[in-house]
Amino acid sequence: EPEVTQTPSHQVTQMGQEVILRCVPISNHLYFYWYRQILGQKVEFLVSFYNNEISEKSEIFDDQFSVERPDGSNFTLKIRSTKLEDSAMYFCASSPVGVGETQYFGPGTRLLVL
Amino acid sequence: SQQGEEDPQALSIQEGENATMNCSYKTSINNLQWYRQNSGRGLVHLILIRSNEREKHSGRLRVTLDTSKKSSSLLITASRAADTASYFCATDAGNNRLAFGKGNQVVVIP
Repeated sequence: EPEVTQTPSHQVTQMGQEVILRCVPISNHLYFYWYRQILGQKVEFLVSFYNNEISEKSEIFDDQFSVERPDGSNFTLKIRSTKLEDSAMYFCASSPVGVGETQYFGPGTRLLVL
Repeated sequence: SQQGEEDPQALSIQEGENATMNCSYKTSINNLQWYRQNSGRGLVHLILIRSNEREKHSGRLRVTLDTSKKSSSLLITASRAADTASYFCATDAGNNRLAFGKGNQVVVIP
């Protein structure tokens, strides 16, 4: 069964460094998402992406964040200058169409900012 | 903004018993989805129920949705040790962003 995959599974970085989290959505899906879960807290929506542009973003998704689909398979989340509070589990998700459909999540990347 | 809120937050049951957890939300929705998360792992989609549906079954799972009360319940029948996990409801208002609740921790004792 097709799955969303994410790399790396864990990343440790120093505050102020840039990180890129990578995702490979399910191949025939058209909508892509990033969510994050700070330890012990709710899963929070960051951004959705369709047709090579952002379709929705939350207030969390500020200028430090960017997303890109650099090729036909990868979907990336970049954090330009990490802060301590960016430490979280980051989940990528994809869905075949947008509104009203199941979102399939990847296993997550655990980011620790020191 | 809408959000799911599960109740209760922690449940400990014996294997074979049923587990029920509830979720309430605040605004109109397109659908509501339930996910499972094993400790430190990814989110596994369990079931989606649309706003025009009242009940849905999938294997040992039964989900109900009451849009007049803005609430949903997830029932796991004949629980197994492997059902030990956190369970989240997530609402979709039709804007491509899921709003998750805080989650229910379910422990099934063998």
